[in-house]
Amino acid sequence: AQKVTQAQTEISVVEKEDVTLDCVYETRDTTYYLFWYKQPPSGELVFLIRRNSFDEQNEISGRYSWNFQKSTSSFNFTITASQVVDSAVYFCALGLGNRDDKIIFGKGTRLHILP
Amino acid sequence: NAGVTQTPKFRVLKTGQSMTLLCAQDMNHEYMYWYRQDPGMGLRLIHYSVGEGTTAKGEVPDGYNVSRLKKQNFLLGLESAAPSQTSVYFCASSLGQGLWAGELFFGEGSRLTVL
Repeated sequence: AQKVTQAQTEISVVEKEDVTLDCVYETRDTTYYLFWYKQPPSGELVFLIRRNSFDEQNEISGRYSWNFQKSTSSFNFTITASQVVDSAVYFCALGLGNRDDKIIFGKGTRLHILP
Repeated sequence: NAGVTQTPKFRVLKTGQSMTLLCAQDMNHEYMYWYRQDPGMGLRLIHYSVGEGTTAKGEVPDGYNVSRLKKQNFLLGLESAAPSQTSVYFCASSLGQGLWAGELFFGEGSRLTVL
């Protein structure tokens, strides 16, 4: 079975603060992959990152960084120096390495960046 | 390049009516998915398809049927709509499944209201 838990339902921070969004996943498979997607108020789903289970390197892309830790089954997302445009719902998702398996999303974290 | 196109974008139905949502992708993707998004519930997988002529159940398949007669199209049907099916529906596609498949490409969403 697959499961993704985003325990933070809603977070508010003041602009320029750093913020970390948590994602904890469950799977018995040894090969899997993880996504983060952003959904701004306009409603579309924007791809941010994909990480395979065998690649535990952390990634940085501008103000965004991701910390993948297999030991704790976590794939956390940090925004540094947050901006109002970062206000959105952020989803973490898990897919397995098998041909017929599903991609399951967490319930999302709504992030408010206050000016 | 249109990517993933969903029609219609909005629809209001009465309880018991039927309708079909059409998802079309022009990227020659093998995998296609239908998700529904409800407040506080994230994205939940309804049905998915791993190739032309195939379909499989997701997390919340009851009350829906799907068909993938052509590789580029994935239809989601509601035979007898219920108010509980009021939601925003997202279609997505990907090149394949597994570790080398890449990202999910999403449509813009279809807002369905059942009265």
